[in-house]
Amino acid sequence: DIQMTQSPSSLSASVGDRVTISCQASQDISHYLSWFQQKPGKAPKLLIYDASDLETGVPSRFSGSGSGTDFTLTISSLQPEDIATYYCQQYDNLPLTFGGGTKVETK
Amino acid sequence: EVQLVQSGAEVKKPGESLKISCQATGYKFISYWIGWVRQMPGKGLEWMGIIQPSDSEITYSPSFQGQVTISADKSISTAYLQWSSLKASDTAIYFCARPLYPTRATTTIISLWGQGTQVIVST
Repeated sequence: DIQMTQSPSSLSASVGDRVTISCQASQDISHYLSWFQQKPGKAPKLLIYDASDLETGVPSRFSGSGSGTDFTLTISSLQPEDIATYYCQQYDNLPLTFGGGTKVETK
Repeated sequence: EVQLVQSGAEVKKPGESLKISCQATGYKFISYWIGWVRQMPGKGLEWMGIIQPSDSEITYSPSFQGQVTISADKSISTAYLQWSSLKASDTAIYFCARPLYPTRATTTIISLWGQGTQVIVST
């Protein structure tokens, strides 16, 4: 199985801050990576796919980068509605696997 | 509206059986696989398996093979996840999900999610 490791597991930032979340795959997954946002009691929401493509309707302050084994999700200017847990997920190989999540909170 | 609508919360006792559902609306059910994802309390997301509604071909995650059964009824655009004998460790929220594009490929982008079904297994 491909292991997905996210860091940090949690972070605290102020509204307007630039936030960066990292995701590392245990083997080369090319660009086959998605990022999801999950708010408490809700289903995950697709933000980014193919490592850097923004899903329709997702604000442009979200961006993704990386390929191979190292990936990054960036929120350019944190908004109150961005408070959530973020997950990366690889779809290069079965079983599909998710990172452990990064909880984003406000200071 | 394109959506996946899941059945309601369940409270069961250990050893009981359970079948939860995921009904697809607003799109051609047989064109997209349906997957199931588990989220245990306070934990992350775990992929359980996928069914192709067109022919009911199923791919299970090794971690869940033999623990659950995935099925579908294309006549009513509904996929199912079932247990024959629940354990306390099955307590979780279960999500169904669909890929972004119509495809049989299992290694593809997950985009649409159901709202989740809470399952509580307790004496």
